[in-house]
Amino acid sequence: AQSVSQHNHHVILSEAASLELGCNYSYGGTVNLFWYVQYPGQHLQLLLKYFSGDPLVKGIKGFEAEFIKSKFSFNLRKPSVQWSDTAEYFCAVNTPNTGFQKLVFGTGTRLLVSP
Amino acid sequence: GAGVSQSPRYKVAKRGQDVALRCDPISGHVSLFWYQQALGQGPEFLTYFQNEAQLDKSGLPSDRFFAERPEGSVSTLKIQRTQQEDSAVYLCASSLGTVRNTGELFFGEGSRLTVL
Repeated sequence: AQSVSQHNHHVILSEAASLELGCNYSYGGTVNLFWYVQYPGQHLQLLLKYFSGDPLVKGIKGFEAEFIKSKFSFNLRKPSVQWSDTAEYFCAVNTPNTGFQKLVFGTGTRLLVSP
Repeated sequence: GAGVSQSPRYKVAKRGQDVALRCDPISGHVSLFWYQQALGQGPEFLTYFQNEAQLDKSGLPSDRFFAERPEGSVSTLKIQRTQQEDSAVYLCASSLGTVRNTGELFFGEGSRLTVL
């Protein structure tokens, strides 16, 4: 079964620092990839997604992610974080095995940005 | 409301009780999903509906879990004879079309179940 690994469970940064959150998945075929974010007290919401085409995907709030097929990775980046980026970030994948319907999530990374 | 609505937001049950969790998806959304999120974990898939048809229930952990969406709108997740390991946040999500095409799920705020 496919799985998603997020190796950083907790990340603490100061404002203006650069961010990179790792995400690796285990599936050798075509995948769709997602990053979801959950701000404190709010519901999960889509940050960005990759289906095909340009492997560098830009999302909301200045976030971007790069799909590197050879490394089975889809790392999330932001050049300069803000205090309001404090949240939990989840990487997710879906595959042809389930008709691209079922999302498989990683365990999440909690990001704390100190002002 | 404009978003996915779940009720109750919090539920405390004694072991062995039955519980029912309700999800009101965004109006017109075809696809509806239930996920279970244990403490410190990511959401795990339970089941998926397209309109009223339950197309995938492979994630339901046991036959104590049952979900329905009889009219293709509101859905209910029922857990019979609750156990302590059922304690989790149950998330409902909906999508306008199929996730394959739209790629975006709209999540509710979840129902937090605590089984004593």
